[in-house]
Amino acid sequence: RKEVEQDPGPFNVPEGATVAFNCTYSNSASQSFFWYRQDCRKEPKLLMSVYSSGNEDGRFTAQLNRASQYISLLIRDSKLSDSATYLCVAPRPSSNTGKLIFGQGTTLQVKP
Amino acid sequence: GAGVSQSPSNKVTEKGKDVELRCDPISGHTALYWYRQSLGQGLEFLIYFQGNSAPDKSGLPSDRFSAERTGGSVSTLTIQRTQQEDSAVYLCASSQGHIFREQFFGPGTRLTVL
Repeated sequence: RKEVEQDPGPFNVPEGATVAFNCTYSNSASQSFFWYRQDCRKEPKLLMSVYSSGNEDGRFTAQLNRASQYISLLIRDSKLSDSATYLCVAPRPSSNTGKLIFGQGTTLQVKP
Repeated sequence: GAGVSQSPSNKVTEKGKDVELRCDPISGHTALYWYRQSLGQGLEFLIYFQGNSAPDKSGLPSDRFSAERTGGSVSTLTIQRTQQEDSAVYLCASSQGHIFREQFFGPGTRLTVL
């Protein structure tokens, strides 16, 4: 099983729709997580951090379910500009390692 | 201020040649990371530098790969005797402190090994 696993999609949704992605992780000791957004042929940029049960920022809500070991990202009122790949990220827990585990990414296409 | 910069933006090389990729992190960021991303794939961690500590090299795929960070700032990733499977986008990121802080990525170097 991969350490961080995502459904690659693509998710094709109309403008205004609500869409949710899940990301599962294998290491129960992981404490914090991130969602990064990556546009085509561009570098990733931080979208949200998830440190406890969840985080909300405007149309975006991230939630953490420790019991089931998954993180979700909910996007409400989708915009065309939300089209991108969303990367789920978990730090390798313990020690002083700098290793971040990136999921493969979930591709979202918002259609007019 | 300036973000993370990388050079070159594109590099085409022949199999067996050595290449050097450069990363200039954001000024003041103590942590620097190298990743690679193959087409349609997620990011693969390569190496992590934090201040004066010994780097975490656990992600380097073979001994043909090495990296150094001089003066706690600029970093160079070197790939010796390149192979076609080394073709990928190599991304550098920096952050202010440890791995739980936001990482700021450079635009990447697209490496093509013919």
